[in-house]
Amino acid sequence: NAGVTQTPKFRVLKTGQSMTLLCAQDMNHEYMYWYRQDPGMGLRLIHYSVGEGTTAKGEVPDGYNVSRLKKQNFLLGLESAAPSQTSVYFCASSYPTGGNQPQHFGDGTRLSIL
Amino acid sequence: AQSVTQLDSHVSVSEGTPVLLRCNYSSSYSPSLFWYVQHPNKGLQLLLKYTSAATLVKGINGFEAEFKKSETSFHLTKPSAHMSDAAEYFCVVSAYNQGGKLIFGQGTELSVKP
Repeated sequence: NAGVTQTPKFRVLKTGQSMTLLCAQDMNHEYMYWYRQDPGMGLRLIHYSVGEGTTAKGEVPDGYNVSRLKKQNFLLGLESAAPSQTSVYFCASSYPTGGNQPQHFGDGTRLSIL
Repeated sequence: AQSVTQLDSHVSVSEGTPVLLRCNYSSSYSPSLFWYVQHPNKGLQLLLKYTSAATLVKGINGFEAEFKKSETSFHLTKPSAHMSDAAEYFCVVSAYNQGGKLIFGQGTELSVKP
């Protein structure tokens, strides 16, 4: 089983460039999430989706947009990259949950903004 | 609001000795709590979860955690450390009724000396 797959694994951008990170899951999970991980800060939720065609803001949504056009895919976009967005980005998915279902994580995308 | 505090940013043990990673939580509701492990350049893997059943929870790779409501703690333990246990560990609480959102602690890096 592939689980949660993130593309690309590494990327270097210049300030002002745009890009899209792709997350794909093959577990038929309803819920999907995007996090960023920065040293000493754990993971912080950027956006999440509770179903196809729905998205919602998390803790740190500014500068990011998302789309969930298909149940298995969740895209994270940076419209105009800034150095403060240098981070490791993780996608996760889960079954519908009121909070007691674990999330399954991809291996991350390491993004550097110069 | 829910929150978690991991009391140690770094723990170092010798191979074969016990492991204790400390976590305190704050929650107005009966919480769902998780421990995740992250090996270098990898995503997060679920170690164990507590969801109001038994207070002593057994996870993978010999880890277990005890939920203590009176102390608002959920410490992670293992009787005997192995070199492969060296990783970062995250204590996580689920945000109540918020689409499965997780709130992460800052992480504890576990080093295992031969």
